[in-house]
Amino acid sequence: KQEVTQIPAALSVPEGENLVLNCSFTDSAIYNLQWFRQDPGKGLTSLLLIQSSQREQTSGRLNASLDKSSGRSTLYIAASQPGDSATYLCAVKLAGAGSYQLTFGKGTKLSVIP
Amino acid sequence: EAGVAQSPRYKIIEKRQSVAFWCNPISGHATLYWYQQILGQGPKLLIQFQNNGVVDDSQLPKDRFSAERLKGVDSTLKIQPAKLEDSAVYLCASSLVGRAETQYFGPGTRLLVL
Repeated sequence: KQEVTQIPAALSVPEGENLVLNCSFTDSAIYNLQWFRQDPGKGLTSLLLIQSSQREQTSGRLNASLDKSSGRSTLYIAASQPGDSATYLCAVKLAGAGSYQLTFGKGTKLSVIP
Repeated sequence: EAGVAQSPRYKIIEKRQSVAFWCNPISGHATLYWYQQILGQGPKLLIQFQNNGVVDDSQLPKDRFSAERLKGVDSTLKIQPAKLEDSAVYLCASSLVGRAETQYFGPGTRLLVL
């Protein structure tokens, strides 16, 4: 059974700092890995999606990396802003036939202090 | 393009009562998902539809939960009777057909069972 772990559970940083969020998964037979952002009372917004054959994806100040063999991914946020404050969730989709379900971690709650 | 719509946004009921949630996916998305997100946890897939058919309902508590997707568009998720541990946010997501496709999430319905 796939398990996804995110460390740390919460993180508080001053504005302008660069930061890294970590995600690990137990089954390396993944199809892809996705990072989401969740704001209080709202649904999930997809930030970056990395296919199993890729090593990293970038969007603006965000960079996500994937090391499938070691079961790890990181989300790097450059020059953090107060608007980045949210919960960040990592999710993996397994390879193989059948369900397209995403298996999520519990998330990292990020607070960026002005 | 309109996103995934869900209603109601909030619902408070007493245990043993029944409740139903509604989801309207993005137009043209054949695949629809219901996830349950308990406070402090990542979302967990309850059921996946492709058009009218169920692809995966392995984690749906079938003694009390039911879901349908008539005509392959809108979907309803029902809980009868509700238990205290059903208090959670119920998220609906949709995607185009295919494992590579991104899932788009609605804002969720927050359920509190007293």
